Amino acid sequence: EDQVTQSPEALRLQEGESSSLNCSYTVSGLRGLFWYRQDPGKGPEFLFTLYSAGEEKEKERLKATLTKKESFLHITAPKPEDSATYLCAVQKPNSGGYQKVTFGIGTKLQVIP
Amino acid sequence: SQTIHQWPATLVQPVGSPLSLECTVEGTSNPNLYWYRQAAGRGLQLLFYSVGIGQISSEVPQNLSASRPQDRQFILSSKKLLLSDSGFYLCAWSVILAGFSGSYEQYFGPGTRLTVT
Repeated sequence: EDQVTQSPEALRLQEGESSSLNCSYTVSGLRGLFWYRQDPGKGPEFLFTLYSAGEEKEKERLKATLTKKESFLHITAPKPEDSATYLCAVQKPNSGGYQKVTFGIGTKLQVIP
Repeated sequence: SQTIHQWPATLVQPVGSPLSLECTVEGTSNPNLYWYRQAAGRGLQLLFYSVGIGQISSEVPQNLSASRPQDRQFILSSKKLLLSDSGFYLCAWSVILAGFSGSYEQYFGPGTRLTVT
């Protein structure tokens, strides 16, 4: 069964204190790994897609990396506006004509001024 | 650019009442459409997906049903709500390109918070 495990469940950082969020996965035939940001009471906002081990993507203070078993979301010098829940998801082909996506529970990040 | 709408934003319904949540997508054609439910402390659970008009597949047996009467419209329904139907309901879309074997990120709507009392 496909599994996505994110750690830590919650992370509290001081403004400017860099850190990383982890997403470990077990899935056969990985087609892509996604990172989303979700603010309270809102739908997830797409951040990155990673396709293969060794790939990196960057957006402002965020950098996502991928290995064969896990992905990291590095946050450099975070600001309070980076506070949100970050979701990881993996995608693989499905015989039903769509690409099945399995989501992790997320890491709730709080950045203190 | 593509936009996805969901309504209502919040809903409080008594047990046993019917439900209808609507999702529409603008700016794209023939999208794949999805309904998810998100409960506190749990990941997003896929409820239904649709690859075309009138084509609905269910991932989890439940008290809910879905319909796709138009290309960019997706409806989630129930005849009689249960307490366990409470949650945050999200609609999402993705586009499948013919001949592309990569991945297809999903884009989410703003969600509907449903409370069954």
